[in-house]
Amino acid sequence: TQLLEQSPQFLSIQEGENLTVYCNSSSVFSSLQWYRQEPGEGPVLLVTVVTGGEVKKLKRLTFQFGDARKDSSLHITAAQPGDTGLYLCAGPHFNDYKLSFGAGTTVTVRA
Amino acid sequence: EAQVTQNPRYLITVTGKKLTVTCSQNMNHEYMSWYRQDPGLGLRQIYYSMNVEVTDKGDVPEGYKVSRKEKRNFPLILESPSPNQTSLYFCASWSGMTGNTIYFGEGSWLTVV
Repeated sequence: TQLLEQSPQFLSIQEGENLTVYCNSSSVFSSLQWYRQEPGEGPVLLVTVVTGGEVKKLKRLTFQFGDARKDSSLHITAAQPGDTGLYLCAGPHFNDYKLSFGAGTTVTVRA
Repeated sequence: EAQVTQNPRYLITVTGKKLTVTCSQNMNHEYMSWYRQDPGLGLRQIYYSMNVEVTDKGDVPEGYKVSRKEKRNFPLILESPSPNQTSLYFCASWSGMTGNTIYFGEGSWLTVV
């Protein structure tokens, strides 16, 4: 059982459409991170959210951390083929530093 | 440059032949961890270490061993590899402070035949 549940598992959309990926848990996290991974490579950090209710924007990507620090979302506006990849959320548990990852969301943006 | 270095990057081995995947970080991080990544399962933690001589099991520790004799190194040992350990392995390091970046190695592709 994954401590961090990501949904959906797969997402295929047309270029220009918007998409949202969710990361949920019943546990509190001191911070959550979002990564993007290309096939055969290690995950690359996109953003870290630390404060409950925090919203961070990275160009067309918007990240939100839930008020209770148990969930997060990643929203991509006007998706482009270059956004294609595996998106992972990750975070340390609040009371210890064991890192957990979601299973990932595979995003495919069709031209 | 902040770096996590894994070796080897690619390895094909036979069942039962002991192997070690090395991991080294140059950031003086206290926290290090090993993950395996399999299709549809995401990254699953094998072992983690919060400091020298302090290690603990992750979610899938069976068949693996680790050691943390020095802060910078965290090798993953497969004493008797089996085909179900064929996977992509990642080492990661982190300062342990809230909000700090987790740094990943480039990954090690391991095939056990």
